[in-house]
Amino acid sequence: SQQGEEDPQALSIQEGENATMNCSYKTSINNLQWYRQNSGRGLVHLILIRSNEREKHSGRLRVTLDTSKKSSSLLITASRAADTASYFCATWGSTNAGKSTFGDGTTLTVKP
Amino acid sequence: DAGITQSPRHKVTETGTPVTLRCHQTENHRYMYWYRQDPGHGLRLIHYSYGVKDTDKGEVSDGYSVSRSKTEDFLLTLESATSSQTSVYFCAITGQDNSPLHFGNGTRLTVT
Repeated sequence: SQQGEEDPQALSIQEGENATMNCSYKTSINNLQWYRQNSGRGLVHLILIRSNEREKHSGRLRVTLDTSKKSSSLLITASRAADTASYFCATWGSTNAGKSTFGDGTTLTVKP
Repeated sequence: DAGITQSPRHKVTETGTPVTLRCHQTENHRYMYWYRQDPGHGLRLIHYSYGVKDTDKGEVSDGYSVSRSKTEDFLLTLESATSSQTSVYFCAITGQDNSPLHFGNGTRLTVT
């Protein structure tokens, strides 16, 4: 079964609004990464947060990690139509070297 | 895109035929991965490689084999394709374990 599970499965917002998506996982991790996938393309890495970090920023992206709850959230502020994509979390475990596990993703639609 | 090329981009084949997908990288990265992505789902790891001739199974390895005879090429073979292997296949690379992955643009495989 998938280690990471995103919530919600789909999210539709207006341009300028903030978008928040959540990821839950099951086992201990070394780090958690967020990726974006535009339709018909490969995934693109957005941000990595290590297990000893609680929050990380990159431009309009803010990621939090709560290892006690085994969850992470990705916040996109001031969303743009170009942010329309699917977003996936992926975890790298401390016991499965080399094996990352992806969630099923959140499909974000930003309406102009 | 990080010097990674997948070929072919599209393939239609018949049930029972062998199929080989190729991933080629120009980054000299140690780690290479094959994932499959099915509609509405995230990526599931098929096989990965942590060096020339060093490979390991992922969570959905049944029916697939891989080979890596040189750093730049990672081949995925379906020995006898089945309709359940209709999917989009992504190759990814990274230079270090637990580090961000760089993805190819995928191969869309249809088994009829």
